[in-house]
Amino acid sequence: QKEVEQDPGPLSVPEGAIVSLNCTYSNSAFQYFMWYRQYSRKGPELLMYTYSSGNKEDGRFTAQVDKSSKYISLFIRDSQPSDSATYLCAMSARRGSTLGRLYFGRGTQLTVWP
Amino acid sequence: DSGVTQTPKHLITATGQRVTLRCSPRSGDLSVYWYQQSLDQGLQFLIQYYNGEERAKGNILERFSAQQFPDLHSELNLSSLELGDSALYFCASSVGARDNTEAFFGQGTRLTVV
Repeated sequence: QKEVEQDPGPLSVPEGAIVSLNCTYSNSAFQYFMWYRQYSRKGPELLMYTYSSGNKEDGRFTAQVDKSSKYISLFIRDSQPSDSATYLCAMSARRGSTLGRLYFGRGTQLTVWP
Repeated sequence: DSGVTQTPKHLITATGQRVTLRCSPRSGDLSVYWYQQSLDQGLQFLIQYYNGEERAKGNILERFSAQQFPDLHSELNLSSLELGDSALYFCASSVGARDNTEAFFGQGTRLTVV
């Protein structure tokens, strides 16, 4: 079993829809949770960063972490065509050093059509 | 633009050959991370350097090596290349040694081994 599981999609939604992206993980030591957005032919770009459980909101984006279920989500409200990209979840047991290596999901490809 | 520069953008080479990928971190960043992204494995952490010293090692093959120079740029050397080494190679940088959760990624080098 991989450390981090993420449905690769593809996911296709109309403009204005609410998008839900999810990852599950197996390592209960993970405490740092991140979502990256990767446009085609570009490097990953950090979108959201959450420590431990709870919700974090930033504009149209909301990240949720449920450590009891080992499940994280990213919600995109009022989705736009410019949100079309691959979204990768990543997590880490601690910051820095060998123990702080990031484990990435495979990424979910999202297309928002006008 | 993340401020992390990777060269070359594309590289095509034959099996058994050796190549060098170059990364210039953002101004002021002391840490450089190398990642490999392939379709079947997703984004995998290879190695981290901090201020010239190896800091953490991930899934890096023995045929691969890296170094960080006094001017803080880094090179990833891949030798005895195999078809399976074809992938996107990303470099990321951050200010500190423990900031892997807040690293900025370059645009990547696409390596094709034929």
